[in-house]
Amino acid sequence: GQQVMQIPQYQHVQEGEDFTTYCNSSTTLSNIQWYKQRPGGHPVFLIQLVKSGEVKKQKRLTFQFGEAKKNSSLHITATQTTDVGTYFCAGRTGGSYIPTFGRGTSLIVHP
Amino acid sequence: GAGVSQSPSNKVTEKGKDVELRCDPISGHTALYWYRQSLGQGLEFLIYFQGNSAPDKSGLPSDRFSAERTGGSVSTLTIQRTQQEDSAVYLCASSRTADTQYFGPGTRLTVL
Repeated sequence: GQQVMQIPQYQHVQEGEDFTTYCNSSTTLSNIQWYKQRPGGHPVFLIQLVKSGEVKKQKRLTFQFGEAKKNSSLHITATQTTDVGTYFCAGRTGGSYIPTFGRGTSLIVHP
Repeated sequence: GAGVSQSPSNKVTEKGKDVELRCDPISGHTALYWYRQSLGQGLEFLIYFQGNSAPDKSGLPSDRFSAERTGGSVSTLTIQRTQQEDSAVYLCASSRTADTQYFGPGTRLTVL
């Protein structure tokens, strides 16, 4: 079955440093979504990528979808303590309404 | 408008007892998902409802787990004869287009 691998599992950064998390799928995806879960909270939708090579930005966050639509990344520039949380990717293959979630990357920002 | 709500927020039960977890999706959302999240882990898909179609139960870990969705709205996840390994946060999400999922706050289940 479809697998979505996400790395790293944890990332410690000093406030102001950049952060990147990567997702890789074993199969071609129709779309990929990113969610953020704050400690003690629930996942909150951030963005969806659909097109090959797509790049979207939200303030300091940059999301990319690979040309082959099998990988994606989330990059945060100049991290802040408010960025703390776990970032999940979730990929769908064509025709499936059930996304496969990566295991998430937990971001810890040290002030 | 109101988001996805779940009840109870916390449930402590004894091994062997049955529990029912409730999810109220966002009004008008036809898709509803149940997930399980163990401490520090990702989201494990359990079951998916879409409108009046038969649910996709492919993620249910055993026959002790069942779910129903009445009237295309409220959903109940039932776990019979709970085991300690069932302890986790159970998350419900609803979606209008089967794309963006809106998650509820979850029910933290502890089986003693």
